[in-house]
Amino acid sequence: QSALTQPASVSGSPGQSITISCTGTSSDVGGYNLVSWYQQHPGKAPKYMIYEGSKRPSGVSNRFSGSKSGNTASLTISGLQAEDEADYYCCSYAGSSTYVFGTGTKVSVL
Amino acid sequence: QVQVRESGGGVVQPGGSLRLSCAASGFTFRDYGMHWVRQPPGKGLEWVAFIRYDGTEEYYVDSVRGRFTISRDNSKNTLYLQMNSLRTEDTAVYYCAKGKDYHFDYWGQGTLVTVSS
Repeated sequence: QSALTQPASVSGSPGQSITISCTGTSSDVGGYNLVSWYQQHPGKAPKYMIYEGSKRPSGVSNRFSGSKSGNTASLTISGLQAEDEADYYCCSYAGSSTYVFGTGTKVSVL
Repeated sequence: QVQVRESGGGVVQPGGSLRLSCAASGFTFRDYGMHWVRQPPGKGLEWVAFIRYDGTEEYYVDSVRGRFTISRDNSKNTLYLQMNSLRTEDTAVYYCAKGKDYHFDYWGQGTLVTVSS
């Protein structure tokens, strides 16, 4: 049950695209197509942005997209906006009804 | 609309106990699994526990197994987390989250638990 590995920070200018990686193992990220992504603004509860690797819930901007290759999942934010500045966490199903979160990535809009 | 609201946080000494509650509304509580997720101050999220919709099975992260117990009362639309033998490293904001398939679709605002002498 080790945390998934994410970069501590990623930054970009308004309008640019950024990608956040989330690296696990074959027991979690690589073993299931069940990675979800959460956005958390300071002092607020997390909000889910992507589920089952690449699906977007209603109400979430199509600027957010998810993908996976092997043991690494990725979240891409295109057309970066000031409101996207937040912490982002990946989470993977890890079998036997357990879950593991990523270490978190702080996204800064320059 | 869907709401989950945690309560019961506070300051407790190491070795002490605390029970958190999560009141749910706006959805058919008995149809969904529920989770607790915690976040130490200034740190990342950690999944803590899950209970099936009918309360028949519970699952825990290794660090709390044997000390924490997740339970639910479907007649009261309420989720609980009984925390015993608390340690300083259990200090965190504890979130209640509604399960949806294999992700968490609604979260409460959290309740702060501080374990300190």
